[in-house]
Amino acid sequence: DTAVSQTPKYLVTQMGNDKSIKCEQNLGHDTMYWYKQDSKKFLKIMFSYNNKELIINETVPNRFSPKSPDKAHLNLHINSLELGDSAVYFCASSQVTGEQFFGPGTRLTVL
Amino acid sequence: GQQVMQIPQYQHVQEGEDFTTYCNSSTTLSNIQWYKQRPGGHPVFLIQLVKSGEVKKQKRLTFQFGEAKKNSSLHITATQTTDVGTYFCAVGGSNYKLTFGKGTLLTVNP
Repeated sequence: DTAVSQTPKYLVTQMGNDKSIKCEQNLGHDTMYWYKQDSKKFLKIMFSYNNKELIINETVPNRFSPKSPDKAHLNLHINSLELGDSAVYFCASSQVTGEQFFGPGTRLTVL
Repeated sequence: GQQVMQIPQYQHVQEGEDFTTYCNSSTTLSNIQWYKQRPGGHPVFLIQLVKSGEVKKQKRLTFQFGEAKKNSSLHITATQTTDVGTYFCAVGGSNYKLTFGKGTLLTVNP
């Protein structure tokens, strides 16, 4: 069974479009995260939810909006996509301050 | 917030050689984690260090946390081609936030 899953794995879209990425974890963790990894492999935290409550909201454009319908799911919606949004987006989950389990990533390409 | 400097950015070794990556912070860290990301893959947790001067081993990997809890290292003895990937350190902060170093990309020549 996959611990942290993301869909889709690849996303190719035009500038200006709106897209969503979904994430689910079956580990029973309370905390979930979204990270962006750019072409230089730099991993940067974007958002974190703990028990469906937003606890980390880094300096991210308002076009990015996370939603956590329940503890096991954290989705990311992106409006008006720009070229600079092209990256790999990773979802992760953890229990308290322990290790983080990452999903397989979603490679977003904006044309 | 917490910041951590990781060096080197790249390291290319011949198979069988040793490899070390270092993370340094200007502030005292509560803990430090290490992750490995294979090419095309996702970060995978390796270990967490919490205590001052802690040394932990996993087969050919040795992890150290400095006495002052401001630096850490990951050493791989006798590298193999399966060790290829990017190694990240990550420091814990408030609200379960992890700040990742920029990573060290290890390539191994067979």
